[in-house]
Amino acid sequence: AQSVTQLDSQVPVFEEAPVELRCNYSSSVSVYLFWYVQYPNQGLQLLLKYLSGSTLVKGINGFEAEFNKSQTSFHLRKPSVHISDTAEYFCAVIDTGFQKLVFGTGTRLLVSP
Amino acid sequence: GAVVSQHPSRVICKSGTSVKIECRSLDFQATTMFWYRQFPKQSLMLMATSNEGSKATYEQGVEKDKFLINHASLTLSTLTVTSAHPEDSSFYICSARETGTYEQYFGPGTRLTVT
Repeated sequence: AQSVTQLDSQVPVFEEAPVELRCNYSSSVSVYLFWYVQYPNQGLQLLLKYLSGSTLVKGINGFEAEFNKSQTSFHLRKPSVHISDTAEYFCAVIDTGFQKLVFGTGTRLLVSP
Repeated sequence: GAVVSQHPSRVICKSGTSVKIECRSLDFQATTMFWYRQFPKQSLMLMATSNEGSKATYEQGVEKDKFLINHASLTLSTLTVTSAHPEDSSFYICSARETGTYEQYFGPGTRLTVT
């Protein structure tokens, strides 16, 4: 079964600094990859997704992620964060065979002034 | 864009009563809907997958008689927590998969508190 690892439970960063949130998944078979953001007491909002094509994916709010098949990674990056980016970020993978979305444990991004 | 709504957003009920949560896809048809449970500062735990017109598939460890799921139409799924107990207090999130795609759209969640 697929699994997703987000090694960093919390990432503190100063405003306007760059950030990378790491995500690794367990299998190199055909998968689709997603990053979601969750603000307090809210549902999940899709930031970006990789289905096929270019390995560099651009999403909303200035985020981007790079799919690396050989390293089974899909790290999320933003060159300059804002206070409003403070939230929980979830990486997720869907195995086209099982069609179930599997979530990582989440990374809390804390942006301070 | 695709929007999923949940109702109610918050509910407080007494122990032993039942509560129903609705999940609607507002501008698309969803053959498949999912129900998740999220504990504080934790990830989402898939409870069950429901397909329109058929019985839901529950994940291991989820009591199907306690968490009743009905997916009666392509835009509506309901989760009923029966005989609720304080340990059922949690944040419940639904999502809907647009027919023919792999993408899931999430509702805003329902905070259930059982007293």
